[in-house]
Order: sequence, then structure tokens, then C-alpha cells
Amino acid sequence: GAGVSQTPSNKVTEKGKYVELRCDPISGHTALYWYRQSLGQGPEFLIYFQGTGAADDSGLPNDRFFAVRPEGSVSTLKIQRTERGDSAVYLCASSIEGNTEAFFGQGTRLTVV
Amino acid sequence: KQEVTQIPAALSVPEGENLVLNCSFTDSAIYNLQWFRQDPGKGLTSLLLIQSSQREQTSGRLNASLDKSSGRSTLYIAASQPGDSATYLCAVWGTSYGKLTFGQGTILTVHP
Repeated sequence: GAGVSQTPSNKVTEKGKYVELRCDPISGHTALYWYRQSLGQGPEFLIYFQGTGAADDSGLPNDRFFAVRPEGSVSTLKIQRTERGDSAVYLCASSIEGNTEAFFGQGTRLTVV
Repeated sequence: KQEVTQIPAALSVPEGENLVLNCSFTDSAIYNLQWFRQDPGKGLTSLLLIQSSQREQTSGRLNASLDKSSGRSTLYIAASQPGDSATYLCAVWGTSYGKLTFGQGTILTVHP
């Protein structure tokens, strides 16, 4: 498939545990974005990568959240000491470069119990 | 801070009707505007991207317009079909590079 791929599609974890969410962007896309969507709301920005570097991480809610993109392709969103309030759908998107048409993956539904 | 508002929040129409979804944004200094469709439990599907220098874009039965100076965009859907039922999201690319700001969406139901 040529689209953005996110794994896992669903993740249930216990409060306090560590989770990693993976995003495989469209090949050749230099820009990668993470968003979080709560039920009935529009997606909220978390972080934007241009290549390997985080160009804007102003949307990360606190220092329990961290994301990497070491080779400028696959990205991992990491959440430490998960809380019930972290439960949401985490969406990844990519585009050829920043501020151009973004293509989204199917999302990872995270449930913290 | 950019804020995006979509009206109406929900819309139910019979099949075959033409309809208009509205989007407004508070900061007119945008780079691009993008409309998405989201089916229940799914990710977002890009419908149309309008660059800030453009007035409208068309794709099949969809037509999106942009009036940057007044901070408004509309999505026009012609001859609606039950398969058009979904949530439609408007999002703007602001001058803060790489950040899309979304509206809350319009939930559209087209009944046979």
C-alpha cells in the first residue's frame, strides 16, 4: 500500500505503563505530523517533523510524550506513565513538505484502563 | 491563536439534495486550507486542498471555495448520496509552519 500506515490499530494498556505508537509515512514525504483526536472533536496538533528533526513540538501536552524519527522516515510516538486522560485516537500524517497536502493514516486507538 | 469553526455541527438531508458546509477561521494569514472526510472509526481522507492564492477547487461533485480576507471557506456537495454520510473536517495551514488547525467537523447524514 502507498498510504500512511499506523500500528497497532488498537492498543489497550494499564495506567502507568509505557506505550509506543508507530507511523510509516508515504515514501518520499519529508514532513510527518502527529495529531490526537478525542471523541467528537477535531484532531489536535502534537508534533511536526521535517526530515529527522522535530521542527515544532509545541503540541506535546507534557514531558511524558516524546516522538522520534531517526532516519527521516518511520516515526514513533512514545508515551510514558500513561494516564486515563491519554485515551484517544492518535493520528499520523505525512506530506511532501511542510504546509502541503497532508495524508492521514487510519490512526491508533489508545485506551488506558 | 488560530481558531476554526464549522457550521452546522450536524446536517441531515434526503438523497439528491445539494448542500453547503461552512468553515470560518479567525486568522486570515493562512498558507493553505484543506477539507477532509472522516468515516466512523477511520482516519481522515483528503478531499480538496485550496492554496491561499486560489478561490476554489473542484473534484467531482465537490467544490470548495476560499475567501481568505473574510476568513471563510465553503464545501459544496452536489447531488448528495447516502455514501456521502460522514464527518467533514476543515483545516487550515497557518504561518506556523507545519501545523494544521482543525474545526470540530460537520456530521453529515444523507438518507435514501
